[in-house]
Amino acid sequence: GEDVEQSLFLSVREGDSSVINCTYTDSSSTYLYWYKQEPGAGLQLLTYIFSNMDMKQDQRLTVLLNKKDKHLSLRIADTQTGDSAIYFCAENDNQGGKLIFGQGTELSVKP
Amino acid sequence: KAGVTQTPRYLIKTRGQQVTLSCSPISGHRSVSWYQQTPGQGLQFLFEYFSETQRNKGNFPGRFSGRQFSNSRSEMNVSTLELGDSALYLCASTTGQGAGSPLHFGNGTRLTVT
Repeated sequence: GEDVEQSLFLSVREGDSSVINCTYTDSSSTYLYWYKQEPGAGLQLLTYIFSNMDMKQDQRLTVLLNKKDKHLSLRIADTQTGDSAIYFCAENDNQGGKLIFGQGTELSVKP
Repeated sequence: KAGVTQTPRYLIKTRGQQVTLSCSPISGHRSVSWYQQTPGQGLQFLFEYFSETQRNKGNFPGRFSGRQFSNSRSEMNVSTLELGDSALYLCASTTGQGAGSPLHFGNGTRLTVT
């Protein structure tokens, strides 16, 4: 069945780059998403990539997609303390509002 | 444009009671989806409504139900509450047309069942 896997924790120093990784199993996934969740809040859409793309850049965010290995990554350049949050990877296999989420990666940014 | 609005933000209920949660989507969005978030199970899809019809359903018992009104606002109902229903319930909206339309989430309703 569909499954999305992420590592649970990542700790970086302020100013460094952060790379959050995600693997998925459903080869029919059409779109892949990255969401950010801060304490007590909902999910904030960061960026998304269509499955026929290899890379997408949006300001400090770079998404890389390796379709062969079903591997997705989110790179945050010049990480700031305000980037501390839980980051979720999600896939959509063209079933409208149904997303399959990973467990989330807790990013901790130390000054 | 206003975002997705969920009310109430917090709810405390007793086992056996029922509860109704409300969601107002972004203006122009016709699809509303509901998710349950718990520390143990993570984010799980409950159901999706599009143009007042349930379009997709997750693996939850029949105690969980929903509906959508003609103005796209949606409600979710949980009957005969159990302790395990304690969770953050998130609503998301999208245009519902085309796979590329991303979901936008509200801040959720935190339900505590005692």
